[in-house]
Amino acid sequence: QFQLVESGGGVVQPGRSLRLSCAASGFTFSRYAMHWVRQAPGKGLEWVALIWYDGSKRYYADSVKGRFTISRDNYKNTLYLEMNNLRDEDTAVYYCATIGDSNFYCDHWGQGTPVTVSS
Amino acid sequence: IVLTQSPGTLSLSPGERATLSCRASQTIRSNYLAWYQKKPGQAPRLLIYGTSSRATGIPDRFSGSGSGTDFTLTISRVEPEDFAIFYCQQYGSSPPYTFGQGTRLE
Repeated sequence: QFQLVESGGGVVQPGRSLRLSCAASGFTFSRYAMHWVRQAPGKGLEWVALIWYDGSKRYYADSVKGRFTISRDNYKNTLYLEMNNLRDEDTAVYYCATIGDSNFYCDHWGQGTPVTVSS
Repeated sequence: IVLTQSPGTLSLSPGERATLSCRASQTIRSNYLAWYQKKPGQAPRLLIYGTSSRATGIPDRFSGSGSGTDFTLTISRVEPEDFAIFYCQQYGSSPPYTFGQGTRLE
């Protein structure tokens, strides 16, 4: 069965960097495009980024474009989110999710990793 | 595409019918609209995709309908475990795949 486990979250100062990981198991990771989605405290869900199954295409929300980079290692079955120049408003729980079998909705989700940006 | 959900909060008792709305600022291509349930401390859960297709394991009391710019999630008889926040998401055009702001079912 699909299993996604995020890690790498923590407390970081504004302007610093952090890299999140999402370890996948129980399915053929290399066949699925992957999302990152976040939820700030007391706020709704916000789509962050998408990467194609082979890494050939990447898309970002305007709020993170130029600062965040989504990537993947299909040999390690792992998805990444490199976050640079972090801001207070990046404070959130970050979730990775697979796309669905038939399209780009978010099907299977990890439990999330919290990121707090604070001085 | 901006998604606007209404109402912001829906107050019901178990056994009642819940009707949640999601309106898009422009037509969603191929009705690529999904619904998710979010409970505190838990990951979001996919309920509906493609406007009306239930995800694996989702009870048939959950149903989705709509087209174009207006979409609805209906819970025929609300169960105690259904109380949560519900989000719609469009994935009909190139990213960003925006979410609505959510409806709290209490």
